[in-house]
Amino acid sequence: KAGVTQTPRYLIKTRGQQVTLSCSPISGHRSVSWYQQTPGQGLQFLFEYFSETQRNKGNFPGRFSGRQFSNSRSEMNVSTLELGDSALYLCASSLLGKSSYNEQFFGPGTRLTVL
Amino acid sequence: QKEVEQNSGPLSVPEGAIASLNCTYSDRGSQSFFWYRQYSGKSPELIMFIYSNGDKEDGRFTAQLNKASQYVSLLIRDSQPSDSATYLCAVNIDSGTYKYIFGTGTRLKVLA
Repeated sequence: KAGVTQTPRYLIKTRGQQVTLSCSPISGHRSVSWYQQTPGQGLQFLFEYFSETQRNKGNFPGRFSGRQFSNSRSEMNVSTLELGDSALYLCASSLLGKSSYNEQFFGPGTRLTVL
Repeated sequence: QKEVEQNSGPLSVPEGAIASLNCTYSDRGSQSFFWYRQYSGKSPELIMFIYSNGDKEDGRFTAQLNKASQYVSLLIRDSQPSDSATYLCAVNIDSGTYKYIFGTGTRLKVLA
């Protein structure tokens, strides 16, 4: 079974641009979560989607948005990029719709650099 | 602000010793707790989860949970150089969804 895939793996953008990252969960998984990982802040929760609905959102500005499609694939978008948005963006998928101790499987991440 | 705290380390232990990693959390309503291992340049992988007070063992790993003290730990017995990584503690603060709060991680170095 293929794991979680994320594209692109690396991205370089300049301030003010926008970016779209993509995540394909493990086949059959319906929940997709996004995290931002930086050396100083660690892994921070962005949002979680289940059945095309955002169920939870972290403390990030409105420049960060996401969506999920009917095939469970998810995208996240960051508009008006800032230098501080440089980070590893991780996507994680889970099998069940309700968190009943099921693990999240992480993708390899997208390394975003904002110049 | 709901928080998960870990000592950043590095925690250095000799090969064959027991490594003890600790984590405290602030939300008393937290239901489930996870330990992830992250090698440099790689994504996190789940080692164990625990949701009941007490110990849970899986091979060389033991997770310990004390909800009264809001404390969860991970013990690694017979530590190997391949265990050298950053260990992330995660807490599920919303039992209906997958909203996890992660600690910043403890870097473990196992010295050969």
